Amino acid sequence: DQQVKQNSPSLSVQEGRISILNCDYTNSMFDYFLWYKKYPAEGPTFLISISSIKDKNEDGRFTVFLNKSAKHLSLHIVPSQPGDSAVYFCAATYTGTASKLTFGTGTRLQVTL
Amino acid sequence: GAVVSQHPSRVICKSGTSVKIECRSLDFQATTMFWYRQFPKQSLMLMATSNEGSKATYEQGVEKDKFLINHASLTLSTLTVTSAHPEDSSFYICSARDQGHGELFFGEGSRLTVL
Repeated sequence: DQQVKQNSPSLSVQEGRISILNCDYTNSMFDYFLWYKKYPAEGPTFLISISSIKDKNEDGRFTVFLNKSAKHLSLHIVPSQPGDSAVYFCAATYTGTASKLTFGTGTRLQVTL
Repeated sequence: GAVVSQHPSRVICKSGTSVKIECRSLDFQATTMFWYRQFPKQSLMLMATSNEGSKATYEQGVEKDKFLINHASLTLSTLTVTSAHPEDSSFYICSARDQGHGELFFGEGSRLTVL
């Protein structure tokens, strides 16, 4: 049972444009969500997170939006850069701090010149 | 920033042998570490939660006798894949939670290939 889903396995965006990565979850107990970026043969690196008490969190070029009623979150990257090309995982957990994470299946972002 | 180091990054072994993977928190103490497994083009699946000084908590479907976890100190957890078989070939990633700040940091991962 995949509790965290990323339905788009891949996404291609032109440099300078906006990248929007989507994530859906089914478990209403999740109250903290995170986005990780992962390069091949490396561990994930933390990007940005959001608590369920918020609907938006922004950090530089990265913004995460949370729609609790729809059980949906999205990561916006503006402007997209070639170095953003990687696999992006959303993850969810029950607690306010990153604890036992449930990961989505990932979306491979390719930023083209 | 905080660093979690895994060793080895790549290992190839023969079927039937055992392989140990180390996960170290280099500049913080971690009472809790997590071990994940990732199959190609799939999500990271949590295998077990490693608690310093106590037994690991395994996720459903993960064989605890197959994947031995030891968390002997606040900076080291080890995962031993016993009697490895080709289907154990995978990318294993650990994460450690900084008990001081609560943040979670990931290791670089270890790719295991069982021939």
